[in-house]
Amino acid sequence: GAGVSQSPSNKVTEKGKDVELRCDPISGHTALYWYRQSLGQGLEFLIYFQGNSAPDKSGLPSDRFSAERTGGSVSTLTIQRTQQEDSAVYLCASSLAGLNNQPQHFGDGTRLSIL
Amino acid sequence: AQKITQTQPGMFVQEKEAVTLDCTYDTSDPSYGLFWYKQPSSGEMIFLIYQGSYDQQNATEGRYSLNFQKARKSANLVISASQLGDSAMYFCAMREGGFSFIFGKGTRLLVKP
Repeated sequence: GAGVSQSPSNKVTEKGKDVELRCDPISGHTALYWYRQSLGQGLEFLIYFQGNSAPDKSGLPSDRFSAERTGGSVSTLTIQRTQQEDSAVYLCASSLAGLNNQPQHFGDGTRLSIL
Repeated sequence: AQKITQTQPGMFVQEKEAVTLDCTYDTSDPSYGLFWYKQPSSGEMIFLIYQGSYDQQNATEGRYSLNFQKARKSANLVISASQLGDSAMYFCAMREGGFSFIFGKGTRLLVKP
C-alpha cells in the first residue's frame, strides 16, 4: 500500500521479554519518527531518523529502548526486558524532510501489552 | 517551556454548531508550519489542515479552517457544522527547521446530538 505500515498491529508479551516493532514508511520519505501514546494521553516523542541516522534520540525513555533504520527505509524499535509501564501504542510516522510544509503520515500503530 | 499549548483538555459542542479549538505556539524561527491532526477512538492519526508561517490567508479544508494570528502566535482550528463523527482527540503540531515536529497535548472534542 501507499501508507505507513506497522507490524505487528498487536503484541502481547510477558514482562522481561524483548519485543521488536517494525515500521515501513512511505516510499521516498527520508524522515521517520517513533512516538509512544498511553491510553487517553498525548504523543510522547521517542526518536527520529533522517535517512539511517538518528539526530534526535532524546525521547528514548531508557537504555532498554533502541531503534535502527536500514537502507533509509524500514525501521525497527526494540524494547529489551519489557516492563509493564512499556504498555502503550507505539506510533510510527514518516515525512518528506527539509520542508516545513510537509505533514507527517502515521501508521496505525502497534498496541503493546506487557503482562 | 512548551512550544505548543492546547489549553482545553476537553470540549463539548452541539451537533451542527461551530467549535474552535485553541492552539498557541512558541518559536523564534521565521519559517515554520502548523498542522492539525484528528485522532478518533479507533486510534489512527488523520492529517486535517496545514498553515505556513508566510501564508497570508487562513487555510481552509472543507469544514475545517485555521484561524491564524501570527502576532499572537495562535493557530486555532475552527470546525463548522459539527457532526457526530467529529468526536475525537485533536492535536496541534508545529514543524520548524524542516525536521522536528512538536505536538500539543491535545483537546478531546465530544459532539452532542
